[in-house]
Amino acid sequence: ETGVTQSPTHLIKTRGQQVTLRCSSQSGHNTVSWYQQALGQGPQFIFQYYREEENGRGNFPPRFSGLQFPNYSSELNVNALELDDSALYLCATKGKTGTVNTEAFFGQGTRLTVV
Amino acid sequence: GDSVTQMEGPVTLSEEAFLTINCTYTATGYPSLFWYVQYPGEGLQLLLKATKADDKGSNKGFEATYRKETTSFHLEKGSVQVSDSAVYFCALSGALGGYQKVTFGTGTKLQVIP
Repeated sequence: ETGVTQSPTHLIKTRGQQVTLRCSSQSGHNTVSWYQQALGQGPQFIFQYYREEENGRGNFPPRFSGLQFPNYSSELNVNALELDDSALYLCATKGKTGTVNTEAFFGQGTRLTVV
Repeated sequence: GDSVTQMEGPVTLSEEAFLTINCTYTATGYPSLFWYVQYPGEGLQLLLKATKADDKGSNKGFEATYRKETTSFHLEKGSVQVSDSAVYFCALSGALGGYQKVTFGTGTKLQVIP
């Protein structure tokens, strides 16, 4: 049990639509990151939020955006969905950032299928 | 940039066999190293970690040693069980420009047969 909860667990969307995925973490974990894991691949870093601001981003286009809220919950939004966006989306939280290299605690993920 | 290379799978072993999954990394600075495990249909679970050179991480009979001279972090277990069947990811976490991200390898699928 990592204390990180993601919703929904599964989702099917049509190409061109928009989707919002959600993540909630245990209190005190003020850093949240999102990862995309395509089938048979390792997770790829999308972006990270710290104190409600994005402070790091991987190689993903602007149609991938996010929010972090004062209660440490977070959202990943993807606009103009493409078939290649089909993947497992993982949320990860950490208690600190910019100091000790701490491990990330992952949620169970949201399986997104774009048809 | 940072990268992790781990051995291709799948790896198929008989129960009680010895397991080694090789992992090497490229990183600037002094990253922390991790092994995560993913069971079918689930998210990632941290298996073990090491934060500095020569540290040995261990958990549930698995262990890995942070070797800075060979930039490696190989996963080993002396006697695998059917319940160890899963995908194993080697990963590193490094600070870059005030934020940290975890860089993963592509994963190695382990299948243990009775």
